[in-house]
Parts: sequence; structure tokens; C-alpha cells
Amino acid sequence: DAGVIQSPRHEVTEMGQEVTLRCKPISGHDYLFWYRQTMMRGLELLIYFNNNVPIDDSGMPEDRFSAKMPNASFSTLKIQPSEPRDSAVYFCASSLRGSTTDTQYFGPGTRLTVL
Amino acid sequence: RKEVEQDPGPFNVPEGATVAFNCTYSNSASQSFFWYRQDCRKEPKLLMSVYSSGNEDGRFTAQLNRASQYISLLIRDSKLSDSATYLCVAYPLMGSSNTGKLIFGQGTTLQVKP
Repeated sequence: DAGVIQSPRHEVTEMGQEVTLRCKPISGHDYLFWYRQTMMRGLELLIYFNNNVPIDDSGMPEDRFSAKMPNASFSTLKIQPSEPRDSAVYFCASSLRGSTTDTQYFGPGTRLTVL
Repeated sequence: RKEVEQDPGPFNVPEGATVAFNCTYSNSASQSFFWYRQDCRKEPKLLMSVYSSGNEDGRFTAQLNRASQYISLLIRDSKLSDSATYLCVAYPLMGSSNTGKLIFGQGTTLQVKP
């Protein structure tokens, strides 16, 4: 299996621009997670989906952030408009069932820089 | 207070040393625990799960103390390749239901020197 795939790997944009991050989970995995990692705050869960349905979006910072999962093999995280404080590494992860013993597999991340 | 707390380090140790990391968690309902490893500029990867009885995988030993709400990771005979950030992770329940999400600590950085 190819693992979790994320694109782009690096994104540099200017403040105010729209940014779209993409994720393809491991085939057959029911759960998909979006995380953000910064030096100051560490790894934070933004939102997660079960069978394409958003379950918990309490970690989404504000209305500028939105996430969708139109099908089992694709998810997007959108920031509109972007701000310099959104600069971070954004990881997508997936797990088989979301049970207490499940492993979450992370993608390589998207390194976002907002100027 | 963070749900999962770790000493960020860095821990600088010579090759061959034994090093231990501790981690505390605040949610007593947490059901499962893990250690993830993250190399510089890479994604986190599962190192090992932590079981109540403690478990060992080669040079790595994980222990769970539910009464004191802490988890530990012991690395024996450190190698240069062990240099990384080690993330302590808790899996909380909400009532009797799986929340489906992991809570990560800030990570402890280990640097093994020749």
C-alpha cells in the first residue's frame, strides 16, 4: 500500500490567499484525521471523519478553516483567507476502525508558509 | 493543564546509555496509550503501544502506571539512530464510547552523541 498521500508537500502563499491541502487515506481505512503541528503548540487535532462524516471539528481554529471528505479516498482542508499564523505543518492520518488499539498512519505532511 | 504532558528535553546522551522518558496524562478515563517517534521534518510513526502489564520490544520498554497516571519509555543501549522526538499519546474515552481521537504530548527530544 502507498500509505497516506498528501499534496502539496510544500506551499508558500501570501496572506489573504486561499490554500487547499489534499489527502488520500489508506484504502479501507474508515477514519481520517487532520492535524496541525507547530513548535509552540505541538501536534493538534483539527478535525476527524468516520466513513466520510465529520465527527469532531472542535479543533478547527476558526471559520477560515473548513474540511470536506466527499468520498472514502479523498479529503481536503481549506484555509480562506490564509494568515501568517497559519504557517505550520499539516498532517493527514488514517486508521482502520478508530478503536482503542488502532494505529494511526500519518502522511508526510504539507509544510505551509503564509507570508 | 495539557491533557498529556512531557518534558520537552532535549536529552543529550552518549551512545550506549540508557535513557528514560516519562509522561503524565490528566484524563483518568484514557483507555490506551502509545509512544510515537518523529524524526526531524518527518511524520510521526508508531513506536509501540503501552499495555498495563508493561511491554518490551528489543531495546525499548514501555510501562503504564494507571494509579499515578503516567507512562514511561526506557531505551537501553542508545544508538545514534535513536535521535528523534518521542511523542506520548493517550486515547481517551468519552463515557463508554471511543472518541476515535488521540491526544499527543508535546514530545521529548533525544539526541544521542557518538
